[in-house]
Amino acid sequence: EPEVTQTPSHQVTQMGQEVILRCVPISNHLYFYWYRQILGQKVEFLVSFYNNEISEKSEIFDDQFSVERPDGSNFTLKIRSTKLEDSAMYFCASEDRTTDTQYFGPGTRLTVL
Amino acid sequence: GESVGLHLPTLSVQEGDNSIINCAYSNSASDYFIWYKQESGKGPQFIIDIRSNMDKRQGQRVTVLLNKTVKHLSLQIAATQPGDSAVYFCAEKSGGFKTIFGAGTRLFVKA
Repeated sequence: EPEVTQTPSHQVTQMGQEVILRCVPISNHLYFYWYRQILGQKVEFLVSFYNNEISEKSEIFDDQFSVERPDGSNFTLKIRSTKLEDSAMYFCASEDRTTDTQYFGPGTRLTVL
Repeated sequence: GESVGLHLPTLSVQEGDNSIINCAYSNSASDYFIWYKQESGKGPQFIIDIRSNMDKRQGQRVTVLLNKTVKHLSLQIAATQPGDSAVYFCAEKSGGFKTIFGAGTRLFVKA
């Protein structure tokens, strides 16, 4: 069964550093998402991406964040200057728009020191 | 404003019993609802969904009920098994791209 994959599984970085989280969505999906989940809290929407542009973003997704689909398979989330409060699990999801069902990857745990 | 919330943060059931997890939503324009299961260290896993033009939908051992009058959603798990232990999130979409998740209910299954 096809699945969303994410790398790395765990990223540790120093405050102020840039990080890039990577995702490979399911191959025939066209809609892509990033969510984050701070430890013990609910999953929060960050951004949706379709046709090589952002279709919707939350107030969390400020100028420090950017997304890109650099090739036909990868979907990345970049945080330019990480803050302590960026520490969270980051989940990528891709969607089959014929059913509206989003499939989530296993997540990247980002730890900012 | 938009919000999706859960009545209880934890639920403990005996193996073999039925589980009911509840969720309230506030956006009357919501037209699509989803239940996700999240096991420790993993991403949310789709369980079942329902559209606003339905009030009940059944899957394998799971049933989702939607009461639009009181803006209430529930997930029923029949014959709960130890493998059902997880956090369950209800989520909502209202025609756009954003999925709004509730706070989550942790289900404990006692053997």
